This record gives sequence, C-alpha cells and structure tokens, in this order.
Amino acid sequence: TQLLEQSPQFLSIQEGENLTVYCNSSSVFSSLQWYRQEPGEGPVLLVTVVTGGEVKKLKRLTFQFGDARKDSSLHITAAQPGDTGLYLCALSSYNFNKFYFGSGTKLNVKP
Amino acid sequence: DVKVTQSSRYLVKRTGEKVFLECVQDMDHENMFWYRQDPGLGLRLIYFSYDVKMKEKGDIPEGYSVSREKKERFSLILESASTNQTSMYLCASSSEQGDPYEQYFGPGTRLTVT
Repeated sequence: TQLLEQSPQFLSIQEGENLTVYCNSSSVFSSLQWYRQEPGEGPVLLVTVVTGGEVKKLKRLTFQFGDARKDSSLHITAAQPGDTGLYLCALSSYNFNKFYFGSGTKLNVKP
Repeated sequence: DVKVTQSSRYLVKRTGEKVFLECVQDMDHENMFWYRQDPGLGLRLIYFSYDVKMKEKGDIPEGYSVSREKKERFSLILESASTNQTSMYLCASSSEQGDPYEQYFGPGTRLTVT
C-alpha cells in the first residue's frame, strides 16, 4: 500500500478551467512537498508545506496543507496548456535522507 | 543552476547483461539518490548515498547495487538485468546546507530489458 494516495489519477480539462488534485495519508506528517514532472524530464519542486492549515500560492497554483497534517491539495486556477504534467506529492523522513512519493496525478490541459 | 545529468536518456539491454547507469551533479551536494518510476507506483527509492563510499538501501534494493567513489558521481548497477527492471530510472541530489526538502532530479534514463 502507498503511504501517500493521490487523486484523481488522470485529469483532462480545457484551457481556462479550474481544478483541484489531492494527496492523502492515514499518517500525520511533518511536511509535504509538491513536484511537477513534465514529459521526458525529472520532477521539479514546486512548494513545501510545513504548518497545519498552511496555504501557499505560486501564481495560479494554490497549495493547502490540512489542519490535521494528513492531507494536502493543489488548486490550479484558469489552467493553461503549460500546466500539463504529472503532479507528485512527497514527504521526507525526519532526517531528509528518504523521500516517499505518491503515484501522481497526470494532468492534460487542452488548448 | 543545479544540474544533474544522467549518462543516457534511453537504453536497451538484454536479459542477463550487466548495466551501468551513471549520474553526475555539479553542485557539490552531499546526498544522492536513485529512484525507479513505474506507472501507478510513483517514484520508489532504490538506494541513497549521503557521502563518498557511503550508501543506504532504499525500499527496493534487490537486484541493484550502487557505487559512489567521487562526491559528484553516483552509479547504479544492475548486475544481471531482468525484464522486470524495465523502467524509468531517476537520479537526484540534495544539499545538507541548503533547503533539506529540495531534491534536484536528472532527466531520467528509460531502460528497456528484452
């Protein structure tokens, strides 16, 4: 079983639509990271959330860490084709030498 | 900019062959990682190294070994490749001094074992 569950697995939307993807765990974690991976490339870190209830914004992307620190969401406003990619959530071990990734949400934004 | 490079983008090998995947980072990072990425399973850690000649097993080390003779280079070795090792292999590095959460990834090597 996966430590982190991501949903939905796949999402195909039109340019301009809004969307939310989710990352959930049965365990409490101290921090969570979101990465985006474009086809043919490695993942790139978007944001780290640390505090329960924390909200971080990165242009049209809004990241939220659940109050109980067991879940997180990523909301994209007015999606663009450049947002297409695989969105991964991850958490690290306490000493940052191991990282655990969810299986990802594959987003396709059609022009 | 941090750069992590991997020796090949695509590789095709036969069952039983010995396979070397090379990874080089240019930012003097202490930590280096090897993952494999499979559809529906996300990234799974194979091995991790926190210093030259130091290594730790990740979640799926069976069938793999690693070598870190120089700080900038981390090699993944498949001693006898099998078809179930067909996958995308990603190398990453991170710094003890910088943001501990941030890993920098290479572009990946897509390995096919026939």
